[in-house]
Amino acid sequence: AQSVTQLDSQVPVFEEAPVELRCNYSSSVSVYLFWYVQYPNQGLQLLLKYLSGSTLVKGINGFEAEFNKSQTSFHLRKPSVHISDTAEYFCAVRSYSGAGSYQLTFGKGTKLSVIP
Amino acid sequence: EAGVTQFPSHSVIEKGQTVTLRCDPISGHDNLYWYRRVMGKEIKFLLHFVKESKQDESGMPNNRFLAERTGGTYSTLKVQPAELEDSGVYFCASSQVFGLAGADTQYFGPGTRLTVL
Repeated sequence: AQSVTQLDSQVPVFEEAPVELRCNYSSSVSVYLFWYVQYPNQGLQLLLKYLSGSTLVKGINGFEAEFNKSQTSFHLRKPSVHISDTAEYFCAVRSYSGAGSYQLTFGKGTKLSVIP
Repeated sequence: EAGVTQFPSHSVIEKGQTVTLRCDPISGHDNLYWYRRVMGKEIKFLLHFVKESKQDESGMPNNRFLAERTGGTYSTLKVQPAELEDSGVYFCASSQVFGLAGADTQYFGPGTRLTVL
């Protein structure tokens, strides 16, 4: 079964500073990877996804992630964060259940706190 | 286009009571998923509907949980009787088609926060 590890449960960062949220996944022949964000009192929103092709994926709100197959990582980055980026971020991998169904397997989440 | 909606947003019940959560997917989405996040842990898959059929219910914790999707539109998740460990946030998601073997984007609702006392 696939698994996802988000190494940091909380990341505080000053406004306008860069940030990297780390994500590692268990190896698989083919892998689809996702980053979701949950703003306070809202649902999960897709930030970006990697299916194939270029290993650098650009998402919404200035975020990007790099797929690294050799290190089985999919770290999320933003060069300059804003107060509005304060949220919880989830890394997820597509998993095949064996019952003809694909589902998402999530990491535990990383809470990003942007300090003014 | 309306997103995935869930009702209620919060529910507080006592142990042994019954609770029914509802999810309305995005119109036209055949795939509907239920996930759950218990406090401090990761979001975990519960089950997957394709239209009105249960494609995969391998994540359902036990037989106190019953999910239905009559007519292939909205879905309900009933917990009967509720136990303390059922507390958490229940998310619903929907997607259009499998496309590239599971590459379809799942759109999530805001979740229902269930507290069992």
